[in-house]
Amino acid sequence: EAGVAQSPRYKIIEKRQSVAFWCNPISGHATLYWYQQILGQGPKLLIQFQNNGVVDDSQLPKDRFSAERLKGVDSTLKIQPAKLEDSAVYLCASSPDRIRALHFGNGTRLTVT
Amino acid sequence: SQQGEEDPQALSIQEGENATMNCSYKTSINNLQWYRQNSGRGLVHLILIRSNEREKHSGRLRVTLDTSKKSSSLLITASRAADTASYFCATDAQGGSEKLVFGKGTKLTVNP
Repeated sequence: EAGVAQSPRYKIIEKRQSVAFWCNPISGHATLYWYQQILGQGPKLLIQFQNNGVVDDSQLPKDRFSAERLKGVDSTLKIQPAKLEDSAVYLCASSPDRIRALHFGNGTRLTVT
Repeated sequence: SQQGEEDPQALSIQEGENATMNCSYKTSINNLQWYRQNSGRGLVHLILIRSNEREKHSGRLRVTLDTSKKSSSLLITASRAADTASYFCATDAQGGSEKLVFGKGTKLTVNP
């Protein structure tokens, strides 16, 4: 089966600019996750979707971050405006059901200057 | 907040040796998972152990879970240079939203 696809692979922007990341999960996977991974740390959950609906977004900085899952398949994560501390790798993952093995994409490395 | 804490933070061994990494967590869990992350890549699922299980094997991997001590260990036997990676434990807390919370990871280096 095809894995989780993410784009772009790398992105460099200046602070206060906006940026968007795209994720295409494994076909048939109902649950989709966005994680933020700062260098040297473990991934931190930003938002979890179950089909179209949001299951958990308690750690999403909603004043600047937004995410949507189109028709329960693809998802986009947007940051507007970006801050220096947003520099991180943004990982998308999917699973066939809640709390099963997560399948991760290779991530988007964001650098905010 | 991070639920799991891996120990040690970094581990360097020779090829052929065994590597043991530990994970401690704070609240009761439904299950615990271990993941591997190679540099610049996404995480890869290794093994899932449920709260009512005590030990699980997968190839050269052995995972134990002690719910009374709220801890787990990952043993990699006969390590290879290709095992060089960061290893993370992840837990989902009972009674929560079932979100998976990752620790900070152990960086394993296997020297040829």
